[in-house]
Formats: sequence, C-alpha cells, structure tokens
Amino acid sequence: GENVEQHPSTLSVQEGDSAVIKCTYSDSASNYFPWYKQELGKRPQLIIDIRSNVGEKKDQRIAVTLNKTAKHFSLHITETQPEDSAVYFCAASTGFQKLVFGTGTRLLVSP
Amino acid sequence: GAVVSQHPSRVICKSGTSVKIECRSLDFQATTMFWYRQFPKKSLMLMATSNEGSKATYEQGVEKDKFLINHASLTLSTLTVTSAHPEDSSFYICSATDQYEQYFGPGTRLTVT
Repeated sequence: GENVEQHPSTLSVQEGDSAVIKCTYSDSASNYFPWYKQELGKRPQLIIDIRSNVGEKKDQRIAVTLNKTAKHFSLHITETQPEDSAVYFCAASTGFQKLVFGTGTRLLVSP
Repeated sequence: GAVVSQHPSRVICKSGTSVKIECRSLDFQATTMFWYRQFPKKSLMLMATSNEGSKATYEQGVEKDKFLINHASLTLSTLTVTSAHPEDSSFYICSATDQYEQYFGPGTRLTVT
C-alpha cells in the first residue's frame, strides 16, 4: 500500500521567512496530493492540493510542487506570519479514495 | 465549501460501555465517508472506509467487531466503539467526499475512564 514520508517533523522560522515541507510517496498510482493545516484540537483544513497532471500550483503565499518521477511533492509558504503556526500534513491518494497522511510538520513562526 | 458535522464533540465514558459517534454531511450527499483516529501529536490514521448501503472496509489492524460502522444513508455514517477501554481514548475524525474533495468533520474527543 501507499506510504507517505514527511520532513521535517518540526520547523521554526522567523516571521517573513519562507518555509518548505517535503513529502515522498511510494505508490506510483497516487494522483491526488492535498496539504492540510491543523490547529490544536481542530479539524484538518485543506490549504492547497495538486493533481498528477500538474507540476506546480500556487495560491497567494502558498505553493505546491510535484515531481512524479521522483515521487515527491513539497509545500512552500512565503512571507510567513505567526498565524501560519500549526501542524501541516501532506497526503496522497488514488482518485478520491482513502487518503494516506504523512507524519506531520509542526511549523512555528516567531514574530 | 461543503460542511460535515460530528456529534458529540466530546464524550467521556466508563470502561466496558459503548459509544456512538455520528458523522453527517449537511449540504451534500456522500456515498463514501472515512473514519480516522488521531493520537496526540500524531498523524491521522485511517480506520475504515464507509460506503452507503454496504459493509465498511477496515484497514489492517482495525478490529471490525470493536469499531462498528454503519452508513445507513447518503448523509449519515456512525462509528460505535464497543466495550471501550482506556486505550481507545483518542480523537476520532470523519470525512466525507463529494468526489472532488474530502471534507473533514470537527472531530470527537473520546475519553474512556
């Protein structure tokens, strides 16, 4: 089955810096790669997603890149703000079947 | 976006009792819902896939007799934790898909004493 690895587990940056979180997946059939932000005790919130027919997608300060050959995808957050502090999860799935989540990255943005 | 609700948000029960958690898609019909479990500071682990009108598909290692799932309608799936034990204490989150995206419920924090 699918296995998703995520790095780093924790990431501390200064406000205004960029943050990059990387994930690798094992199943070449996976074609949907969402990223979620989760605050303590809350539900995961979709912040951006990418499908396998696209190499990059951007939404304001957030971008995701996908390298199908290497089976890895990354989340890029620019101009980080304290409110970006949360746990971020990547995930992979085939179509809209079950999501396999990465282990999570705790992002701390210091003012 | 689509809304998924979960009830209750918190529940405390005694060992040996059963607890039912409801997951509802409020503004769309969901033929498929998913149940996840999340331990503190850990990732979401898929427990089972719930399909309307058929038996749930459980992930390896999840006891189907302990975690009973019923998807009786296109807007409601329930998870019943039977004969709960302290090790079942966790954050349980459901999600529903409209074939474009998965929408997560707010989660249920279960504490078994």
